[in-house]
Amino acid sequence: GENVEQHPSTLSVQEGDSAVIKCTYSDSASNYFPWYKQELGKRPQLIIDIRSNVGEKKDQRIAVTLNKTAKHFSLHITETQPEDSAVYFCAARNNFNKFYFGSGTKLNVKP
Amino acid sequence: NAGVTQTPKFRILKIGQSMTLQCTQDMNHNYMYWYRQDPGMGLKLIYYSVGAGITDKGEVPNGYNVSRSTTEDFPLRLELAAPSQTSVYFCASSYSKRVNEKLFFGSGTQLSVL
Repeated sequence: GENVEQHPSTLSVQEGDSAVIKCTYSDSASNYFPWYKQELGKRPQLIIDIRSNVGEKKDQRIAVTLNKTAKHFSLHITETQPEDSAVYFCAARNNFNKFYFGSGTKLNVKP
Repeated sequence: NAGVTQTPKFRILKIGQSMTLQCTQDMNHNYMYWYRQDPGMGLKLIYYSVGAGITDKGEVPNGYNVSRSTTEDFPLRLELAAPSQTSVYFCASSYSKRVNEKLFFGSGTQLSVL
């Protein structure tokens, strides 16, 4: 099956700085890569996603990049705010429509 | 639309007891999933379904069973509960592989086995 690795496990930044979270995947047939934000005690919420035929996607302060050759993708958050503090998960979807998740990154944005 | 609805929200079981976690979606999604999330960890796929009558194992299926008799419902059955099954369980659904592929989650069921 697919194996998704995510780094770092914790990330602490100053408000206004940028944050980058990186993921790698093992199955070259994976074709869709969503990112989720999970606040304490809540369900994961989709924040951005990218398909395998696209290299980069932006949505305001959030961007995702994908390198299919290297099988890695990254989440970039610019101008971080305290409300960005949460756990972020990357995921990869394989050809059978199964979603596999990374282990999560706890982002702490210090005011 | 209510989206993906899970019941119950919380449950405490004794070792050896059985229970069914309910999941229903009203978005006419073909694909449904069960994940478990242990404290401070990511989500692990237990079972998934591509449509009524079709289910398949995920990464951690042992100790669980599922059924999918309708498009809307995808219950997860725990037989002979063990402390290792203490976790938060999330049900999720998506429409298809090609369009509207986003994965939507229910609000979760927190299960403790004591």
